[in-house]
Amino acid sequence: AQSVSQHNHHVILSEAASLELGCNYSYGGTVNLFWYVQYPGQHLQLLLKYFSGDPLVKGIKGFEAEFIKSKFSFNLRKPSVQWSDTAEYFCAVKPPGSARQLTFGSGTQLTVLP
Amino acid sequence: AAGVIQSPRHLIKEKRETATLKCYPIPRHDTVYWYQQGPGQDPQFLISFYEKMQSDKGSIPDRFSAQQFSDYHSELNMSSLELGDSALYFCASSPKDREASSQFFGPGTRLTVL
Repeated sequence: AQSVSQHNHHVILSEAASLELGCNYSYGGTVNLFWYVQYPGQHLQLLLKYFSGDPLVKGIKGFEAEFIKSKFSFNLRKPSVQWSDTAEYFCAVKPPGSARQLTFGSGTQLTVLP
Repeated sequence: AAGVIQSPRHLIKEKRETATLKCYPIPRHDTVYWYQQGPGQDPQFLISFYEKMQSDKGSIPDRFSAQQFSDYHSELNMSSLELGDSALYFCASSPKDREASSQFFGPGTRLTVL
């Protein structure tokens, strides 16, 4: 079945460590890709998105992501995490041909230790 | 900037009761999406509306229905509630322009079915 995969369910880092969260999708064709963050008890907030063009996209709060078409991947990165980055991170894909709804990965819980 | 508004924020119901959740999209957003997020799970797409017409349908139970009104707000009606319906229900909206695939999420309605 076509899907979005986030392989890391829980990541624990110390402050200032570098972060990379994996996201792979299995849809063919042109897809739109997103990363959302959900802080404890809050709603989903858009971190960054990729539609076309430069495969390296920069988002808010120092996050960036790289679209690698050959690997069907859209990994999220941040060079130096902060305690305030503790949250759940969801990768989402708008598959080709769909009306516009998103398919989410299962999420990665990031815990940053002070 | 205005955000997506959802009401109520919290709702407690008993089995077999009905519930109505409301969503007010960001001004000038013509598309509304409903997602269900169970405890510790990723958001699952339920249904979407574009220009007051249903545009796509996901894993929405037959007991649920939704509509979008002339002012673009949407209501999700849930009947014969079951324990398994306890979840966070998110509404998202997206704009008319090229960025149509960027969905902006509301704070969610936490439904608890006892």
